[in-house]
Amino acid sequence: GQNIDQPTEMTATEGAIVQINCTYQTSGFNGLFWYQQHAGEAPTFLSYNVLDGLEEKGRFSSFLSRSKGYSYLLLKELQMKDSASYLCAAMDSNYQLIWGAGTKLIIKP
Amino acid sequence: ETGVTQTPRHLVMGMTNKKSLKCEQHLGHNAMYWYKQSAKKPLELMFVYNFKEQTENNSVPSRFSPECPNSSHLFLHLHTLQPEDSALYLCASSQVFSGGGGETQYFGPGTRLLVL
Repeated sequence: GQNIDQPTEMTATEGAIVQINCTYQTSGFNGLFWYQQHAGEAPTFLSYNVLDGLEEKGRFSSFLSRSKGYSYLLLKELQMKDSASYLCAAMDSNYQLIWGAGTKLIIKP
Repeated sequence: ETGVTQTPRHLVMGMTNKKSLKCEQHLGHNAMYWYKQSAKKPLELMFVYNFKEQTENNSVPSRFSPECPNSSHLFLHLHTLQPEDSALYLCASSQVFSGGGGETQYFGPGTRLLVL
């Protein structure tokens, strides 16, 4: 079957760095997406990886290893506004997204 | 208006009511989606429309009925819902088969539905 695993909850300190891991199993693969979702709001797109390696976008970076079925989202210089859920989703061979349940990130001062 | 809009934002309905959720995308995309989001569960894909044609119906009960009159508008008609249908209903759109991440889905703000 197809599934995505990511931690349920993580806690980090303002100004620090946190890494949110995601492992996936899909029928075929057309890319890995990360979304941010604040409580009561819609998911917003953060990053897309389809090739192995690290993609950097300001304070956020995303890494992919296709051979390991593994990705992570790295958040640097954490700010209180980064408190949110982070959703990992892998696109299968039919271009359907398989979603993880999300990682709730709590930032403490 | 830009992006993906949804109305209403909040909805309370009884089990015998009939209501409709509306979604509109202003991104020029050719695919639209309905998702259900329940607490601490992955997003559940309900329906997919590509070029106005329904391509996915993930075993959704018939009390949910989608309608896609054109590539910019999507409706979800609701009737005789159950309390367990209470959830956040999200609409999304994307440009399918464009490659290179063009299939990125963009979401509307959602409709928070409570069934009493």
